Amino acid sequence: GENVEQHPSTLSVQEGDSAVIKCTYSDSASNYFPWYKQELGKGPQLIIDIRSNVGEKKDQRIAVTLNKTAKHFSLHITETQPEDSAVYFCAAGGDSWGKLQFGAGTQVVVTP
Amino acid sequence: KAGVTQTPRYLIKTRGQQVTLSCSPISGHRSVSWYQQTPGQGLQFLFEYFSETQRNKGNFPGRFSGRQFSNSRSEMNVSTLELGDSALYLCASSPSGASAYEQYFGPGTRLTVT
Repeated sequence: GENVEQHPSTLSVQEGDSAVIKCTYSDSASNYFPWYKQELGKGPQLIIDIRSNVGEKKDQRIAVTLNKTAKHFSLHITETQPEDSAVYFCAAGGDSWGKLQFGAGTQVVVTP
Repeated sequence: KAGVTQTPRYLIKTRGQQVTLSCSPISGHRSVSWYQQTPGQGLQFLFEYFSETQRNKGNFPGRFSGRQFSNSRSEMNVSTLELGDSALYLCASSPSGASAYEQYFGPGTRLTVT
C-alpha cells in the first residue's frame, strides 16, 4: 500500500525565515497531494494542494512543488510568522475513494 | 458555510463498552471519510461513505463500523472498546465534481478508554 515519509519531524525557524518540509510517496497511482496544518485542539486544516499534472503551486507565502518522477513533494513557507507555528502534514491520495495516506507530521516552531 | 461538525467533542468510556460518534458534513458535501489519529500511528483512514454507501475501508477490525444517512450525516461506532482505541477521531467531508479529492476536517472527537 501507499507509504508517505515526511521530514523533518521538527523544525525551528526564526521569524521571517523560510521553512521547507519534504515528503516522499511510494504509490505511482497517487495523483493528489494536499498539505494540512493542525493547531492544538483543532482538526487538520487544508492549506494547499497540488495535482499530478502540475509541478508547482503558490498561494501567498505558501508554495508546494511536486516531482512525480522522483515521487517527492515539498511545502515551502516564506517570511514565517509566529502564527505559522503548528504541526504540518503532507498526504497522498486520489487513487482510492476518500482515502488519504498521511505523513507523520512536522512540528514547526517559529520564534520571534 | 458552516464547517464540519462532530459530536461529542470529548468522551470517556470503559473497556468493553461501545461508542457512537457523529459527524455532520459541510452543506452540499456528500462524501464523508473517517480517520483515527494517535501519537504512535498518526492519521489512519477508517472508511469513506458516499450516498449512504461505504465505498472504501481501511485496515481496522470489524469492531469499527459506520453508516451514512440520506442527509449525508455520518456516524461511526466502535464496539467492545479496548484501551488502544483511545484516540482523536476525525471526520472529513468532500465536495463533488472537480474538487472531489479535497477533504475538510472537523475538530474531532477525543475518545479516552479507561
